[in-house]
Amino acid sequence: GAGVSQSPSNKVTEKGKDVELRCDPISGHTALYWYRQSLGQGLEFLIYFQGNSAPDKSGLPSDRFSAERTGGSVSTLTIQRTQQEDSAVYLCASSLALGVLNTEAFFGQGTRLTVV
Amino acid sequence: ELKVEQNPLFLSMQEGKNYTIYCNYSTTSDRLYWYRQDPGKSLESLFVLLSNGAVKQEGRLMASLDTKARLSTLHITAAVHDLSATYFCAVGGDSNYQLIWGAGTKLIIKP
Repeated sequence: GAGVSQSPSNKVTEKGKDVELRCDPISGHTALYWYRQSLGQGLEFLIYFQGNSAPDKSGLPSDRFSAERTGGSVSTLTIQRTQQEDSAVYLCASSLALGVLNTEAFFGQGTRLTVV
Repeated sequence: ELKVEQNPLFLSMQEGKNYTIYCNYSTTSDRLYWYRQDPGKSLESLFVLLSNGAVKQEGRLMASLDTKARLSTLHITAAVHDLSATYFCAVGGDSNYQLIWGAGTKLIIKP
């Protein structure tokens, strides 16, 4: 696609329910990142993928969070048993490759998650 | 641990004025990025700075990097309302995938 696409754009869910957030990166981008942005805060790194592999999962806030990527393309971030503190904007970004210094990341518009 | 500090966090200014946003970071890094975010929108890449003394300009925005001082500046010249947005700096960490983000500077430019 022309840009990074995320869905849904907004999600309101009840506490305790599971949610799945989707990211469709720019075609050909091998690196994919998930970030969380709380109101008025900077970006908090969650996880990255190089291809389908996620070498570093240490940024995930708890074991309720998981992510996968298939076919080197679409990624899903799943939050189980959502809590109110999970409310934030979840941003996905993709870049051409890791390890290339001048490679910039392109961001999707984010999914605003509200847990009530 | 790499920490990134932006200041100011909020800036309200009149059109036509000049101002500078500062991004300080705590340990050495080989790359620094500036991004812009409009309300409810995606982050847009503005500048990539890779070397000491690097200066890049786009329209009324100019970014510079001093790796010895661990400081980057984003200078706004003769501000216009369309530049109202939140500006983030992000600094590369030890790993090639890692970016540490500042908290952002919310810039409001009044006509």
